[in-house]
Amino acid sequence: ETGVTQTPRHLVMGMTNKKSLKCEQHLGHNAMYWYKQSAKKPLELMFVYSLEERVENNSVPSRFSPECPNSSHLFLHLHTLQPEDSALYLCASSQDRAGREDLFFGPGTRLTVT
Amino acid sequence: LAKTTQPISMDSYEGQEVNITCSHNNIATNDYITWYQQFPSQGPRFIIQGYKTKVTNEVASLFIPADRKSSTLSLPRVSLSDTAVYYCLVVEGDDKIIFGKGTRLHILP
Repeated sequence: ETGVTQTPRHLVMGMTNKKSLKCEQHLGHNAMYWYKQSAKKPLELMFVYSLEERVENNSVPSRFSPECPNSSHLFLHLHTLQPEDSALYLCASSQDRAGREDLFFGPGTRLTVT
Repeated sequence: LAKTTQPISMDSYEGQEVNITCSHNNIATNDYITWYQQFPSQGPRFIIQGYKTKVTNEVASLFIPADRKSSTLSLPRVSLSDTAVYYCLVVEGDDKIIFGKGTRLHILP
């Protein structure tokens, strides 16, 4: 595997379910990100991790809970979501947490909340 | 955080050169200009980055005038597979990488 991988690629869950999205990067990068992309809206930055430490949380509801156990893995734990949380969730990584660094994105998880 | 403005959409034909211009009037001295490409249901992909003058790689060219208040992404001889959304970003140092709405480019046969 190379680059950034995400699983699952598609997920349908009810509002009372608990699920987790997984991201893995094989690039040796030190920073990882979660973005949300809703239909016809710009990508929204959700969380930033640098060297496994969360450095940014952009006012994301607590029903989204990130976890970064090591620099290669990033999770997004989901619970009691709302239908408006349906979106494409994208994971990305960069060499370091610096704005000039290129972001490498995964293919995303298409989430549908019913 | 410098804000960017780019056209919402553009159409072009196969084989043509496409130029997408981005305005960033309040760009700061330390800001770099970066362009990403996104295909449907995929994550964005880095295309090119520059600070001033001209940058060229195997995918595109980026033209930045002396005042740096705008930049133009140039795609030579586009094909149908270049149909995508193109994002212009201006980022400084450790600033957040914020994406705007981008330009939806539609290539016609």
